[in-house]
Amino acid sequence: AQSVAQPEDQVNVAEGNPLTVKCTYSVSGNPYLFWYVQYPNRGLQFLLKYITGDNLVKGSYGFEAEFNKSQTSFHLKKPSALVSDSALYFCAVSSNSGGYQKVTFGTGTKLQVIP
Amino acid sequence: NAGVTQTPKFQVLKTGQSMTLQCAQDMNHEYMSWYRQDPGMGLRLIHYSVGAGITDQGEVPNGYNVSRSTTEDFPLRLLSAAPSQTSVYFCASSGRAVDTQYFGPGTRLTVL
Repeated sequence: AQSVAQPEDQVNVAEGNPLTVKCTYSVSGNPYLFWYVQYPNRGLQFLLKYITGDNLVKGSYGFEAEFNKSQTSFHLKKPSALVSDSALYFCAVSSNSGGYQKVTFGTGTKLQVIP
Repeated sequence: NAGVTQTPKFQVLKTGQSMTLQCAQDMNHEYMSWYRQDPGMGLRLIHYSVGAGITDQGEVPNGYNVSRSTTEDFPLRLLSAAPSQTSVYFCASSGRAVDTQYFGPGTRLTVL
C-alpha cells in the first residue's frame, strides 16, 4: 500500500526566510508526487508535481520541490517566505504500478509565516 | 468553464437520515474521487472512479455509496448518516489518477 508522511503538523518561519515543508513517501513502482495548498475555507489548489526527469521541480508562487529517490522524499521549498504563503500544504503520491491508480494524501502541514 | 462544482455547500442532517452530495465537472475528466477532510487526518479517499460505470473503494468507504453513470457526474450517497460522518467533503477530478487533480469548493456536513 502506498503512503505519505508529513512529519510536521506546523512549520513557523519568519517572513523573508527560506522555508521547507517535509514529505516522505512509500509506493510500488515509479512515484508521481504532488504538492497542493489549501487556503482557509477553500478547496485544494495544485502547486507542483514530479513525474519524471529533473529532480528539482519548479511550481506556482515561487515554490519548488526536490525529488530524492534514495531518501524517498519530496520536500517543498521556497527561498523567501511571504505572509501570504500561510496556508495548509498537502503532499500526495500516486504510481503507475498498474491496476486502478489511487492518490494518497498526507495529513497536511500548516505553514505560518510570521511578519 | 466551471471546473468542479459541488452542492450543497453546507448541510445539517440528523442521525439516520440519508442524502446525496452532488459533484459535477465540465473538463471531460475520466478520473473522479471523493475525499473527506478531518482535523489531523488530512484527506482520506472515500471512493473513486476511473470512468463511467467503473468505481472502486478508497480508504474509508463504509457508510457511503457512489455510482458513475456519466463522465460529468459523480454523486456520493450517505445511506444512514452518523455523527462520525461529520466532515468536509471534497470532490476532485483529473484526466488520470497520475495527473493534477482539480478540487471542488467542498461541502461542510454536520450530523447531529
